[in-house]
Amino acid sequence: DAGVIQSPRHEVTEMGQEVTLRCKPISGHDYLFWYRQTMMRGLELLIYFNNNVPIDDSGMPEDRFSAKMPNASFSTLKIQPSEPRDSAVYFCASSPPRLGGVSSYEQYFGPGTRLTVT
Amino acid sequence: SQQGEEDPQALSIQEGENATMNCSYKTSINNLQWYRQNSGRGLVHLILIRSNEREKHSGRLRVTLDTSKKSSSLLITASRAADTASYFCATDAEKLVFGKGTKLTVNP
Repeated sequence: DAGVIQSPRHEVTEMGQEVTLRCKPISGHDYLFWYRQTMMRGLELLIYFNNNVPIDDSGMPEDRFSAKMPNASFSTLKIQPSEPRDSAVYFCASSPPRLGGVSSYEQYFGPGTRLTVT
Repeated sequence: SQQGEEDPQALSIQEGENATMNCSYKTSINNLQWYRQNSGRGLVHLILIRSNEREKHSGRLRVTLDTSKKSSSLLITASRAADTASYFCATDAEKLVFGKGTKLTVNP
């Protein structure tokens, strides 16, 4: 398996523009996570899905952020309109089904998208 | 907050030495995981230890968990320059929450 795939790897955009980040999870994984990493705040969980359904979006900073998972092999994170404070590395991760319990298994991270908003 | 706190924030050692990183957390957990992040890359899972386990080994890695003290440690033995990276603990109660990490530098 190629692992978690994210695109683009780098995105530079101007304030006010719409940004769409894309993620393809590992086949067979039914959990998908979106994280944001900055020096100041570390790694923050934005939202996660189970079987394509959003389970917890309490980490989404504000209404400018939205995430979708239309099928098991694709998810998007959209920022509209973007602001300079959104500059960060955004990671997508996936993990396998939780057999027999609720505790999580290891997560597999993509390479990240480095977003710069000027 | 459930978030794990790693200690120290930064650690610099010589190749061949052992590196120990600690993680403290505040709430009851199902398991605790350690991840490594090389500069400019995504996180890579290293090891998972469940709340009913006290110690776990994987190659040169040794993880301990003390639920009474709400703490864990990661020991890397016989370190190599390639071990240079940031190391994160992640605690799992309802969801996985990552600490801010320990930046390890192994000098050749």
